[in-house]
Formats: sequence, structure tokens, C-alpha cells
Amino acid sequence: AIQLTQSPSSLSASVGDRVTITCRASQGISTALAWYQQKPGKPPKLLIYDASTLESGVPSSFSGSGSGTDFTLTISSLQPEDFATYYCQQFKSYPITFGQGTRLEI
Amino acid sequence: QVQLQESGPGLVKPSETLSLTCTVSGYSISNAVYWGWIRQPPGKGLEWLGSIYESGSTNYNPSVQSRISISMDTSKNQFSLKFSSVTAADTAVYYCARHEPSGGFDYWGQGSLVTVSS
Repeated sequence: AIQLTQSPSSLSASVGDRVTITCRASQGISTALAWYQQKPGKPPKLLIYDASTLESGVPSSFSGSGSGTDFTLTISSLQPEDFATYYCQQFKSYPITFGQGTRLEI
Repeated sequence: QVQLQESGPGLVKPSETLSLTCTVSGYSISNAVYWGWIRQPPGKGLEWLGSIYESGSTNYNPSVQSRISISMDTSKNQFSLKFSSVTAADTAVYYCARHEPSGGFDYWGQGSLVTVSS
């Protein structure tokens, strides 16, 4: 199975900050990567797929990049509603796997 | 608008079978997409369990493959999860979700907390 390792595991930031979360795959997955945001008690919300394509309705402050084994999720200017846990997920091959999550805190 | 809703018992005894159903509205499950199950133990991360395609073909996570079965009922626009021989380690919120053949999970149910306890 393809393992995804996110860093950092947790991150403290302030409103207005620019933050970057990384996701490293144990083998090349081209651009078959998605990013999710999850708030407590809610299902994950798809933010980005194909490594860099923004899901409809997601603010343009979110962006994704990368290919192969190294990927990043960037939030250009943190808003209060962005404080949540973020997960990457690969769909290059089964089994589908998720990163362990990055908790973004104020 | 695509909506998914999980249903099933919230409490299952150890060694028994967990059964959940996902009812889809606003979209036919016969369309060319996958329908999956993902779980999340309390305070932990996400684990994909398996998916079923509109043709009925399935893919399962090897970590649970011997205990899991996913099926679909097109007449009711539902798909279901059966998970046998459960233990306390299977206590989790179980989500159903839709995904494209090569894409992320774009629509999710609200989740169903299943507790395994005697």
C-alpha cells in the first residue's frame, strides 16, 4: 500500500498567516492526490483533487501543488474558519490511503 | 443536489456483524462512479474500507478484506456495508461517500457512530 506522510502533524498559526502543509508519498503517484478539510463532528470536505485542481466552491486562498511523491497544500491568508484538520489522500492505486492528518490551530 | 445518509445500529456486540446502509438522493448510484465506505475511530484519522462501482465490482482494503462486504441495491438507490467479527477496535464513525474512478471523495454522508460493546 502507498503510505502518505503529512508534516507537520500540528501547526499553530494566526489569522492572515500563509501556511503550507506537505504530504509525501512512499512511491510516485503522479498527480493522483486530493486534500480535505475536516472540522469536529463533520465529514471531510474535498478541497483539491488531481493535486492542484480546486473543487467547486472552495476559496481561491487554497492551492495545491506537486507531483510524483511530494505535494503541498497552501492557504495564502488564514481565515478563522480555516482552523481545522487537513488530510491528503491518494487515488493512484488501491488501497486508497490517507495521510495521518495535520491539525491547524490558532 | 447529491446527498448521502448512513443508517444502521449505533451499538453492536463484539463478534457480531456491523451492518450499515447508505441512501443516496439526487443522483443515481447506477451512474459511472464509485461508492465507498470510510471510517474514523474517535480522535483518529481516516481509513478507507472499500468501494463499489456501478457495475457491482468491488475493491476492499486488505486490512479488512476478510471481514467486509459491500453491495448495492439500485432499486432503492442504496449501497450497504457488512463488517463481520467486530471488536472494540472497530468502534468508529462510519462514512459513506462518492468518488469518481480517479478522483477524490466529493460527496459524504454525515457519518454514523458505531460502538462495539457488550
